[in-house]
Amino acid sequence: KAGVTQTPRYLIKTRGQQVTLSCSPISGHRSVSWYQQTPGQGLQFLFEYFSETQRNKGNFPGRFSGRQFSNSRSEMNVSTLELGDSALYLCASSVSGPAAEQFFGPGTRLTVL
Amino acid sequence: GQNIDQPTEMTATEGAIVQINCTYQTSGFNGLFWYQQHAGEAPTFLSYNVLDGLEEKGRFSSFLSRSKGYSYLLLKELQMKDSASYLCAVSPGSGYSTLTFGKGTMLLVSP
Repeated sequence: KAGVTQTPRYLIKTRGQQVTLSCSPISGHRSVSWYQQTPGQGLQFLFEYFSETQRNKGNFPGRFSGRQFSNSRSEMNVSTLELGDSALYLCASSVSGPAAEQFFGPGTRLTVL
Repeated sequence: GQNIDQPTEMTATEGAIVQINCTYQTSGFNGLFWYQQHAGEAPTFLSYNVLDGLEEKGRFSSFLSRSKGYSYLLLKELQMKDSASYLCAVSPGSGYSTLTFGKGTMLLVSP
């Protein structure tokens, strides 16, 4: 079974630009969660999608948004990039439910200059 | 609110036993996960506890006390490859798949 894939793996942008990251979950997984990982804050929850609906959202500004398609693939978008948005963005998929093991993708390393 | 605490760093010797503690205060609780993350890689699942007690899986064991808001991960017969960050995460029990993570414990295993 193929794992969670994320594209691109690395991205360099400048302040003020916008970026779109993509995540393909494990086949059969309908829940996709996004996390931001930085050395100072660790892993922080961004949002979770299930069946094309955002079920939960973390404490991030509205510049961070996402969506999920009918095939469960998900994208997240960050507009008006700031230096502080430099981070590893991880996507995780699961069958669903609070006890479901989440499987993480390799992440997208975003650098904002 | 959500608060999960774990030590920032730990060191241990190859072949030894190490215990990584995690305390949590969350608005809901439906289980606690431990993940391992090697540098530059994605987190990988180690264990899940929802009931009080010890879960053993090979060299790794995880313990949970819900009344105390406390868990630990026990690693036995340490190997060099166990050098990694260990992440404690709580499922808030809202019915969603969201996890709230601690900041991780960096474990360095030396020869």
